[in-house]
Amino acid sequence: NAGVTQTPKFRILKIGQSMTLQCTQDMNHNYMYWYRQDPGMGLKLIYYSVGAGITDKGEVPNGYNVSRSTTEDFPLRLELAAPSQTSVYFCASSPGGTGELFFGEGSRLTVL
Amino acid sequence: GENVEQHPSTLSVQEGDSAVIKCTYSDSASNYFPWYKQELGKRPQLIIDIRSNVGEKKDQRIAVTLNKTAKHFSLHITETQPEDSAVYFCAASKLRTDKLIFGTGTRLQVFP
Repeated sequence: NAGVTQTPKFRILKIGQSMTLQCTQDMNHNYMYWYRQDPGMGLKLIYYSVGAGITDKGEVPNGYNVSRSTTEDFPLRLELAAPSQTSVYFCASSPGGTGELFFGEGSRLTVL
Repeated sequence: GENVEQHPSTLSVQEGDSAVIKCTYSDSASNYFPWYKQELGKRPQLIIDIRSNVGEKKDQRIAVTLNKTAKHFSLHITETQPEDSAVYFCAASKLRTDKLIFGTGTRLQVFP
C-alpha cells in the first residue's frame, strides 16, 4: 500500500494564479482531511470529508474548495492564490470513528 | 467550535529527564484525544491516544492522562532520549464529527 499520496511536493505560484493539490489514498478510508501548517505553527483544518459526495468546512476554509467524487481522491483547489496561502499542506485519511490519521508527505506551496 | 490550547510552546530537557506537555480543550463533548509527533521535515505520526472512558494510558516511556472534569490532558515522556526531539501536537475530536482539531504544538529538545 502506498498510503496517502500528495502531488505536487513543491510549487511556486504567482499571486492570483489557481492550482489544485492532489491527494489520493489506497486504504479505503472513508474520512479524508486537508490541513495547512504555517512555519513554526500547528495544523489548521481546511476541509474534511466523511465519505464520497460529502464535504464540510474546517477552521480555515476561505480561499479553498474541495470535492470528493470517489473514496480515493480528495483534491484541494486554491483559487486566486494570495501570499497568506504560503504554507505546507497535508492531506490525511482515517478509517473513521475517531481513529488514527494517516498523513501524506505534504505539499510545500509558496505564493509570490 | 472546538479549541485546543497547548503548553509550553518549547521545552528543553536533559537526556534521561522527564518531559510533560499539557493541553486543554473547550468542547465538553470531545471524547478522543490523540498525540502526534512530527520530526523536522516529516509528516505527523500518531504516538498515543486516549478515549474519554479511561483516565490514563501508557506505552513504554510514553503516557497520557485525561481529566474530563477540568477538560485537560497531558503527555508524559520518561527517560527522554535525543531521538525524542521533535514537535508534539495534541488534538481533540468528537465521535460523530471526527473533525480533529490540533493544538499549536510543543517543540521538545533533548540535550545529551
